[in-house]
Amino acid sequence: DVKVTQSSRYLVKRTGEKVFLECVQDMDHENMFWYRQDPGLGLRLIYFSYDVKMKEKGDIPEGYSVSREKKERFSLILESASTNQTSMYLCASSLVGVKGNTIYFGEGSWLTVV
Amino acid sequence: EDKVVQSPLSLVVHEGDTVTLNCSYEVTNFRSLLWYKQEKKAPTFLFMLTSSGIEKKSGRLSSILDKKELFSILNITATQTGDSAIYLCAVEMDSNYQLIWGAGTKLIIKP
Repeated sequence: DVKVTQSSRYLVKRTGEKVFLECVQDMDHENMFWYRQDPGLGLRLIYFSYDVKMKEKGDIPEGYSVSREKKERFSLILESASTNQTSMYLCASSLVGVKGNTIYFGEGSWLTVV
Repeated sequence: EDKVVQSPLSLVVHEGDTVTLNCSYEVTNFRSLLWYKQEKKAPTFLFMLTSSGIEKKSGRLSSILDKKELFSILNITATQTGDSAIYLCAVEMDSNYQLIWGAGTKLIIKP
């Protein structure tokens, strides 16, 4: 069974803290994505990666960075968390050339910044 | 600017009703349109549409695409409480395979 695992499901962090969100996929997919999801705004792409050590900015990269040192792992980093980064974060992976049913999502990480 | 707009943003109906969810888009280099269902966790795939006028069907759910008028609808007949979810529409672009997501429609089915 295909699997995208986000290690932290629920986090509460203080303003200014550094936050790591980890995502691991076991399908040998080239592409990996980080989205945030807020009510009324849908899924917004933060960063994506199409290969190890490669990254591309999405629609809302400000305040975030990413790391892809191994093919199966894609980390999202908030260098200095702020309250407006309180959100649900979704990791996804796909084969080259996203085609609908080949994009797989993790369970989501709910981050609250206080 | 490429965009995907879903309507309504939320909808409350009674069990047994039929609902129609809308997704309109303005994108360059359209490749496909996708529907996902999201309950309390990760979105799950429903349909991928690439051609106009061809209905895709899965049980009580069906969807169709109109590439001339740039929209798609998702129909759910004989709704059940288990259909309560956020329904997401996304358009895949041909140029870079990225997805542009709509804001979603939150559907609540009352027993």
